[in-house]
Amino acid sequence: AQTVTQSQPEMSVQEAETVTLSCTYDTSESDYYLFWYKQPPSRQMILVIRQEAYKQQNATENRFSVNFQKAAKSFSLKISDSQLGDAAMYFCAYRSSQGGSEKLVFGKGTKLTVNP
Amino acid sequence: EPEVTQTPSHQVTQMGQEVILRCVPISNHLYFYWYRQILGQKVEFLVSFYNNEISEKSEIFDDQFSVERPDGSNFTLKIRSTKLEDSAMYFCASSERSVAARRYQETQYFGPGTRLLVL
Repeated sequence: AQTVTQSQPEMSVQEAETVTLSCTYDTSESDYYLFWYKQPPSRQMILVIRQEAYKQQNATENRFSVNFQKAAKSFSLKISDSQLGDAAMYFCAYRSSQGGSEKLVFGKGTKLTVNP
Repeated sequence: EPEVTQTPSHQVTQMGQEVILRCVPISNHLYFYWYRQILGQKVEFLVSFYNNEISEKSEIFDDQFSVERPDGSNFTLKIRSTKLEDSAMYFCASSERSVAARRYQETQYFGPGTRLLVL
């Protein structure tokens, strides 16, 4: 079974600085999707960014980018120019794309604090 | 922008009571999911639903749970006899699944959740 590990329970960053959140995963599959979701205090899960494993190019969405290292099974999220509104729990998630299972497998999350 | 909605936002119930959590997925989406998040823990998959039947369920989704799409817009999760350990945030999600060159592409969009407290 696939597992997702987020080794940083909490992180903090100064406003306007850059922070990187770590995620590693374990799978025997060669094709899959990876996601970062944000959960602010309102508790709603918001998609931040997604990466398809067959694509070598790292995904980017404005201030958010990933460093996808397939061989190392690593999928870190970089937030540039951090803003107060970025403060939230961030969850890394895995989904198989080889048919069959459709479920997302989540890590335990990293709580990000943004200091003014 | 279309979004998934859930009602109620909060529900308090007595142990042993039945609860129904409601979700309205994004209108052109075909796949529906329920997840739960016990306070302080990771988000866990419960069940996925497609074409009016369960397509996958986790070991958490036992006989106490059921899902239904009673009409063209709602998707419900019923817990028949609630237990204290059912207290959690329940998230509904939906996705529009497309097939391109044998590759399934989907992103699951989540609703705001229903916080269930069983006393």
